[in-house]
Amino acid sequence: QQQVKQSPQSLIVQKGGISIINCAYENTAFDYFPWYQQFPGKGPALLIAIRPDVSEKKEGRFTISFNKSAKQFSLHIMDSQPGDSATYFCAASGTGGTSYGKLTFGQGTILTVHP
Amino acid sequence: NAGVTQTPKFQVLKTGQSMTLQCAQDMNHNSMYWYRQDPGMGLRLIYYSASEGTTDKGEVPNGYNVSRLNKREFSLRLESAAPSQTSVYFCATKDRIGNQPQHFGDGTRLSIL
Repeated sequence: QQQVKQSPQSLIVQKGGISIINCAYENTAFDYFPWYQQFPGKGPALLIAIRPDVSEKKEGRFTISFNKSAKQFSLHIMDSQPGDSATYFCAASGTGGTSYGKLTFGQGTILTVHP
Repeated sequence: NAGVTQTPKFQVLKTGQSMTLQCAQDMNHNSMYWYRQDPGMGLRLIYYSASEGTTDKGEVPNGYNVSRLNKREFSLRLESAAPSQTSVYFCATKDRIGNQPQHFGDGTRLSIL
């Protein structure tokens, strides 16, 4: 069963545009929400992460927005560049019970930024 | 500084053959993980080792076994490969207990005919 649902599956934006990827989770024990970026032939790498005590976190052109009541979080990429073309995964983990420290990933979004 | 090294990078097997995927890290991390990545499925946890000497099942453990050989090495074994195990396998490590970043290797691409 998929506890983290990610959309869209693929996204095409023009250079300079805003890319938005959404995730929804079910497990209220989750308290850590990272985003990973993966280039072809490489393993995923941590991009940015948020904890539920804040509603937004920004690092450069990348922003996570978090809505605890709706159990949703999203990644916004401002001024998207061709070098941002990659697969993006949201993930979630919790500190309690059997979810302790283990990541549950979304299905992934293939982002293509056209020059 | 290699980080997380996975071997082999590519492998083709016939149904019923066995093989071991190797993972080694030089980051002195305590926790290690094995995932499989399939199109449209994201990454799914197969097994993990919270610390040297311990291993636990993840979301999709059937058909796999693991060994935490020492702090550096964590191997994944397919005893009798099946076509459904065709996938890209990733090893990851984490520094300590809790919500810390996981560091991934570049994967092993495994095809089972």
